[in-house]
Amino acid sequence: QQPVQSPQAVILREGEDAVINCSSSKALYSVHWYRQKHGEAPVFLMILLKGGEQKGHDKISASFNEKKQQSSLYLTASQLSYSGTYFCGTERRDSGSARQLTFGSGTQLTVLP
Amino acid sequence: DTAVSQTPKYLVTQMGNDKSIKCEQNLGHDTMYWYKQDSKKFLKIMFSYNNKELIINETVPNRFSPKSPDKAHLNLHINSLELGDSAVYFCASSQNRASEKLFFGSGTQLSVL
Repeated sequence: QQPVQSPQAVILREGEDAVINCSSSKALYSVHWYRQKHGEAPVFLMILLKGGEQKGHDKISASFNEKKQQSSLYLTASQLSYSGTYFCGTERRDSGSARQLTFGSGTQLTVLP
Repeated sequence: DTAVSQTPKYLVTQMGNDKSIKCEQNLGHDTMYWYKQDSKKFLKIMFSYNNKELIINETVPNRFSPKSPDKAHLNLHINSLELGDSAVYFCASSQNRASEKLFFGSGTQLSVL
């Protein structure tokens, strides 16, 4: 079952902040975040493994609330290069020995000058 | 050098035809994947191979047959193409089956007319 991402799209000005949410109806083992620019391959941003864990990547950070089965991606002081579609990928606790990610439908982020 | 390369980038074909998509990775990774991105942008796993062995086979029609001649290559052959097969197909690789980070190819846009 795919995770649900919100919002579906967001438009901001350079320097503004944004939050993208990802939630699942199933217990999660991990949450992965990827960014895809138009016509390009999705690129790995970060993975969160533990409940409550927060990770940062430049001015992009994320949190994982294991109890609520939710993750949020925080983009601070957005740059033009942040534009793209952001995907969360979730890995369920009942997954087998091979990692199996289920991705959400993505959030299209547009940063304007 | 492109880490994960797919060919062709675009594929337009008639219903009922058979087509193949090729994927190669030069990262020395053990595990490769095929994902399908539908019109709603959901990225859904189809298959995964680890050292040429099939480890994930999601509910995919038998018309789809992956082949891994060696661990650097994972090709996807599709028989009797249907309209509903139109999508973007992404190949990806990871260092091993437990790795956290996926490296995606740039995708193959398949249009079935």
